[in-house]
Amino acid sequence: GNSVTQMEGPVTLSEEAFLTINCTYTATGYPSLFWYVQYPGEGLQLLLKATKADDKGSNKGFEATYRKETTSFHLEKGSVQVSDSAVYFCALSIQGAQKLVFGQGTRLTINP
Amino acid sequence: SQTIHQWPATLVQPVGSPLSLECTVEGTSNPNLYWYRQAAGRGLQLLFYSVGIGQISSEVPQNLSASRPQDRQFILSSKKLLLSDSGFYLCAWIRGTPYNEQFFGPGTRLTVL
Repeated sequence: GNSVTQMEGPVTLSEEAFLTINCTYTATGYPSLFWYVQYPGEGLQLLLKATKADDKGSNKGFEATYRKETTSFHLEKGSVQVSDSAVYFCALSIQGAQKLVFGQGTRLTINP
Repeated sequence: SQTIHQWPATLVQPVGSPLSLECTVEGTSNPNLYWYRQAAGRGLQLLFYSVGIGQISSEVPQNLSASRPQDRQFILSSKKLLLSDSGFYLCAWIRGTPYNEQFFGPGTRLTVL
């Protein structure tokens, strides 16, 4: 079946630190991959996506590269800010499927 | 552009009372619609989804139900709320093939006392 496994949280970093949140997947077929961000008290927002192998999605200083050989889509940011504190969800979609598959979410806290 | 609305934003209800949460999407037609729940500190749990008017798929058996009376309206209901129904309820829609990006509403915070 299809599944997404994310790095266990919570993750706490200092401002300007380097961030990596790991995400690996199993999928039948060729999925599209997504990162969503949820700020406190809000719905999820699409942060970035990649739709084929070796694609790099990027937005707001965050990046993730679709690695088919390692079935991974790790989220990275070179220098985090306090405003990046949120819960991050990795997800996949199989073309033709009716639903997305989400990871369990990783809570990130950035301290000033 | 497309927007998704949910109301109410917050709700406090006693155990045993009924529930109705509403979700509407603007700027698109025939969307797939979804209801998720987040318990405190937990991930997303898909409750229901709908691919068209009157078509509801249930993911988790429970005392909640969903209806889709119009193309862009999705309603989550309960006849009698339980304490365990407390949580953050999110409505979402999918932009269609090929990538199936999902877009979420602002959510409804439900507290059952």
